[in-house]
Amino acid sequence: EDQVTQSPEALRLQEGESSSLNCSYTVSGLRGLFWYRQDPGKGPEFLFTLYSAGEEKEKERLKATLTKKESFLHITAPKPEDSATYLCAVQAVATGANNLFFGTGTRLTVIP
Amino acid sequence: NAGVTQTPKFQVLKTGQSMTLQCAQDMNHNSMYWYRQDPGMGLRLIYYSASEGTTDKGEVPNGYNVSRLNKREFSLRLESAAPSQTSVYFCASSDRDSGYTFGSGTRLTVV
Repeated sequence: EDQVTQSPEALRLQEGESSSLNCSYTVSGLRGLFWYRQDPGKGPEFLFTLYSAGEEKEKERLKATLTKKESFLHITAPKPEDSATYLCAVQAVATGANNLFFGTGTRLTVIP
Repeated sequence: NAGVTQTPKFQVLKTGQSMTLQCAQDMNHNSMYWYRQDPGMGLRLIYYSASEGTTDKGEVPNGYNVSRLNKREFSLRLESAAPSQTSVYFCASSDRDSGYTFGSGTRLTVV
C-alpha cells in the first residue's frame, strides 16, 4: 500500500534560519514525487516534480531532493512569506498519472 | 488565465439534501480530479476523469457521483448529504506529465 509520511508536523523558524522538511514514502514503483505549497483557505500550489533518485530542483529559497526512500525540501534563509503548509505527494507507476497520494503536510511558520 | 474555477466557495447543507459542486478549467487539460481534504487525513481522491467521456473511482467514492460534462467541466454530486461529508473539496486538472493545478476549494458543512 502506498504511504507518505511527512515530518515534522509543524515547524517554527526565525527569519533567516535554514531548515529541511522530510517526506518519507513507500510506493510500488515511483512514477513521480511532487511538492506543493498550500496557504490557508487556498488550494495547493505546485512547486516541484522529482522523478528519480539523485534528482534536485530549485526555486528561489527552496530546493527539493530525492532518494529511493525519501525527499527533502530545503528552505534557505526563509522569509515570513514562506509561511505555509508544504505537502508532499507520490504517483505510482501502477496508477499512472491518475492519482496523487498525499501526505498530511508540514505547517511552516517563519517569524520575523 | 483563471486556471481551475470552483463554485460555490462555501455551502451549508442539511442532512439528506443534495447538491452539485461545479468545476471548470481553461488550460485544455485532459484529466480532472475531485479530492477532499480533512484535518489530519491529507488530500484523498474521490473520483477522476482521465479524458472527456470517462470517469473512475478513487480512494473514497462512496456517497458521490461525478459527471464530465465536456473537456472543461467536471462536476461532483452529493445525492443525500451526510455529516461525514463535511470537508473541503478541491477540483484539480492536469495534462499527462504536468503537476496538478488545483482550484481554491469548496468548504462544505453538513448539519
